[in-house]
Formats: sequence, structure tokens, C-alpha cells
Amino acid sequence: GQQVMQIPQYQHVQEGEDFTTYCNSSTTLSNIQWYKQRPGGHPVFLIQLVKSGEVKKQKRLTFQFGEAKKNSSLHITATQTTDVGTYFCAGHYWDTGNQFYFGTGTSLTVIP
Amino acid sequence: NAGVTQTPKFQVLKTGQSMTLQCAQDMNHEYMSWYRQDPGMGLRLIHYSVGAGITDQGEVPNGYNVSRSTTEDFPLRLLSAAPSQTSVYFCASSHGLGGETQYFGPGTRLLVL
Repeated sequence: GQQVMQIPQYQHVQEGEDFTTYCNSSTTLSNIQWYKQRPGGHPVFLIQLVKSGEVKKQKRLTFQFGEAKKNSSLHITATQTTDVGTYFCAGHYWDTGNQFYFGTGTSLTVIP
Repeated sequence: NAGVTQTPKFQVLKTGQSMTLQCAQDMNHEYMSWYRQDPGMGLRLIHYSVGAGITDQGEVPNGYNVSRSTTEDFPLRLLSAAPSQTSVYFCASSHGLGGETQYFGPGTRLLVL
């Protein structure tokens, strides 16, 4: 079946440092979504990328979709304690209806 | 709008017991789904529905049943609970069928002893 790999599993950074998480699929995606889950909370939608090579920004967050639509990344500049949580990518494929395949997530800890 | 609601928030079951996890949404979304979340494994799709009366299996459907009699409700039934079903369960809904934004409920934490 389809699978989306995500690395790293954990990341500890000092407040103010940058953070990046990566997702990779062995087959071409139709689109990819990113979610954030705070500790004890539920996943909350951040963004959707659809086009090859797409780059989107939300304040300190930069999202990229690879040219081949097989990989994606989320980069946070100058992390803050409010960025703490687990970041998930969710890949969608053309032949799977509305089914998304979630990566295993990257848990971000920000040390003040 | 309440969005996606789930009940109960917490549940403890004994092995072999059955129960129903409730999920409701008030956004008139066609698509609803159930995920389970286990440490280190992300979210895995259990069952999903593309509209009232239509359901289908996801990645990990064994031990679970669903039905969709209305657009709003999508209950998940555990037929005979097993310790392997200890998990956090999330219900989600989205508008449309082409990979749209998913809105998640607050989750149900289930412990099976």
C-alpha cells in the first residue's frame, strides 16, 4: 500500500533555532497536507500543497512541495515555545479517493 | 458551529466488551473518517464514508464496524474489545471527495484491559 515516510521522529531545539521536518513518498502524490498536534490535542490543519515545486509561507513557517511531487518539507524559522507539538504530513494519491496517508510525525520540543 | 464532536473523551473497557464511539459534525461534510493514533505510528485510517449509506475500509479495519445513516453522524463500533485496540481515536470530516482539508474531533482515549 501507499506509505509516507517522515523524519526525524523527534527534534529538540533551543528557542530561536530553526527546525525542519521532511516527508517522502515512493510514488507521486496528488497533494500533501500538513497538520500540527499540540500535546494532548487533536491534529489541526496548517496548509495544503498541490503544485509541483510549490512553496507557501505562513509567518515563520515555510512549506515546500518537491518538483516530482514525492517529497515535502516544513521549515520553522526562529522557533518559539508556542511551536511545541507534533507535525504531521498527510499524503493524498490520485487513485485513493479521499484517503490520506499520514507520516509518523515529528515531535518538536523547544527549550527556552 | 461545534465542528466535529466526539464522545466519550475517555473510556476503559475490559477485554471482550463492546462499545460505540460517537462522532458528529455540523458542517454538512460529505466525507467522514475514523483514525487511530498510536505512539510512533502516526494516524492510521480505520474506516471512512463518502456519504450517508456509504462506508469503506481503510488501512486497519479489523475489529471495527461503522455505519452512516445520516450526514451528521458516523459512529465507530468495537465488537469485542482487545488490548491491541488501546489507542486514541480521532474522527475527522471534510467537504468534498478530492483530498480536502480534514477537520478533526477532540479524540477518544480508549484503554482496554
